[in-house]
Amino acid sequence: QSALTQPPSASGSPGQSVTISCTGTSSDVGGYNYVSWYQQHPGKAPKLMIYGVNKRPSGVPDRFSGSRSGNTASLTVSGLQAEDEADYYCSSYADSNNVVFGGGTKLTVL
Amino acid sequence: QVQLQQWGAGLLKPSETLSLTCAVYGGSFSAYYWNWIRRPPGKGLEWIGEINHSGSTNYNPSLKSRVTISVDASKKQLSLKLSSVTAADTAVYYCARGLGGSYSQLGLDPWGQGTLVTVSS
Repeated sequence: QSALTQPPSASGSPGQSVTISCTGTSSDVGGYNYVSWYQQHPGKAPKLMIYGVNKRPSGVPDRFSGSRSGNTASLTVSGLQAEDEADYYCSSYADSNNVVFGGGTKLTVL
Repeated sequence: QVQLQQWGAGLLKPSETLSLTCAVYGGSFSAYYWNWIRRPPGKGLEWIGEINHSGSTNYNPSLKSRVTISVDASKKQLSLKLSSVTAADTAVYYCARGLGGSYSQLGLDPWGQGTLVTVSS
């Protein structure tokens, strides 16, 4: 069982917005500004999409945004496109000098 | 552009030691921590640990007793050894560059291509 809790699936139609949640505790998500999000297409390596809760690396479309409220972080994908269909994972630094991940969310573009 | 290429044995028997190596091409090796992460089939990602160019390591507390991460800075390579493997260690193993100092505070990027390691008798 993963340390961070994500919904197993999410979906939306092209052009719509979808939000994926990532729930932890005050010892990880809620306690540090070190939340990241990764996109993984089948058979490919994960790709960093968001770091520092809400910052986008160079080259990541601004359709992807991150936020946090309390112990829950969220990834929002606006203007859904077919290529956004992938698995998404959140991660956070955690107390006791650890890095924890969520179980992943499969995003389907209908 | 930084690229990571990894290799190692893909099929192990229970109680054997898993051994993987990751080579870094392009960019600075000494400025970052280098990480190992795994993804068991049907499950989420799990951080294994990290090392910097001088050999300073940090490990996942749940795996610490069985994990050794080492570095050869002259070759820009890092290695992973996981002892006494069981079927629960079956996973795709990735190496990745950590950003923002230890514990990849600013994320992990880029990642290696992944290596499937299967533990079966």
